[in-house]
Amino acid sequence: LAKTTQPISMDSYEGQEVNITCSHNNIATNDYITWYQQFPSQGPRFIIQGYKTKVTNEVASLFIPADRKSSTLSLPRVSLSDTAVYYCLVGESYGRDTPLVFGKGTRLSVIA
Amino acid sequence: ETGVTQSPTHLIKTRGQQVTLRCSSQSGHNTVSWYQQALGQGPQFIFQYYREEKNGRGNFPPRFSGLQFPNYSSELNVNALELDDSALYLCASSAGLADLNEQFFGPGTRLTVL
Repeated sequence: LAKTTQPISMDSYEGQEVNITCSHNNIATNDYITWYQQFPSQGPRFIIQGYKTKVTNEVASLFIPADRKSSTLSLPRVSLSDTAVYYCLVGESYGRDTPLVFGKGTRLSVIA
Repeated sequence: ETGVTQSPTHLIKTRGQQVTLRCSSQSGHNTVSWYQQALGQGPQFIFQYYREEKNGRGNFPPRFSGLQFPNYSSELNVNALELDDSALYLCASSAGLADLNEQFFGPGTRLTVL
């Protein structure tokens, strides 16, 4: 399983765009990149998933360069409610014995 | 549509005791995964069940066991509790092996071992 590296913490003011970068140098051909969000005392919540280039949904955008060795989660105009831990995961989207492998994540603090 | 539910919410046990945690999967989901999350860490995979059969196991000792029922709800059993077992236990369900990367998590059970 590919190992991921992301910043331990980030701070941002309300209304700013936040970009969290994740490194995954050993990503395999069949691996997808998935981001989860976790609020205190809650289970993680799926945010976005991508394989290459750019993916956008109503919550975030995911930018993946051509070599796929890194990815960037972009949160537009964050609010206080976006304060959470964000996890970058890399793994196959299909197959047996491929559990989600979480690192320590990035703790995002949004300040008023 | 009902989401993933877990019971109990909180639990306090002493060393050596046994505990059973329960999880009801989201409607239409046949795969359940269990995770242990220590304070300040990301969730760690314990095991997964797909249609009542174990589909994978993480690096946890045999005293962590589980099962899945015909309605796809699941139990996690931990025997001979140790202090380090204190953690948030998360259950996640998904629609099948094709959706392993999009799992829906419950709120967790906070286990404290004294």
